[in-house]
Amino acid sequence: EPEVTQTPSHQVTQMGQEVILRCVPISNHLYFYWYRQILGQKVEFLVSFYNNEISEKSEIFDDQFSVERPDGSNFTLKIRSTKLEDSAMYFCASTRDRKEKLLFGSGTQLSVL
Amino acid sequence: ELKVEQNPLFLSMQEGKNYTIYCNYSTTSDRLYWYRQDPGKSLESLFVLLSNGAVKQEGRLMASLDTKARLSTLHITAAVHDLSATYFCAAPHSGTYKYIFGTGTRLKVLA
Repeated sequence: EPEVTQTPSHQVTQMGQEVILRCVPISNHLYFYWYRQILGQKVEFLVSFYNNEISEKSEIFDDQFSVERPDGSNFTLKIRSTKLEDSAMYFCASTRDRKEKLLFGSGTQLSVL
Repeated sequence: ELKVEQNPLFLSMQEGKNYTIYCNYSTTSDRLYWYRQDPGKSLESLFVLLSNGAVKQEGRLMASLDTKARLSTLHITAAVHDLSATYFCAAPHSGTYKYIFGTGTRLKVLA
């Protein structure tokens, strides 16, 4: 079965630094998502992306966050100036149709020191 | 704002026993998803429930959806150790692309 691929698997950064998390969704999928999960707790919605624009975003997704699909295959999440509280596992997900299940990548564990 | 709640949050059960996990959501939604997460791993899709009265079964797990009661259940039959994981339900926020996840139920099956 096709997979959603995320890189890197782990990212350690200093507070205030910029990070870019990368995802390659499944090729025929149209809807793309970023979620995060702090220490195995609740899975929190960050943003959804469709037709090359953000369709929904949560309160967490403030001006420090941005997403991009630069080349038709990659889907990136950028955090401009990381805070300690941004430390979490970040999951990318995609789906072909809104009624179908989300397929999740293996995640990027972000640690902000 | 859609809220999705699960209970129990933690469940420790003996092998061979049956139990049900409940997922309640606060506003209208016509479909519901169940996911499994092993420690340190990603989320694996278990079931997609697309209509009122939908029932899906896979092995020892059976999921159902009652949209009128805004309730989904995940029933475990004759639990085995391999079912130990955290189970999440998720519902789409009506009219949006946003899927809201429940609080999760951490299941531990004891041998």
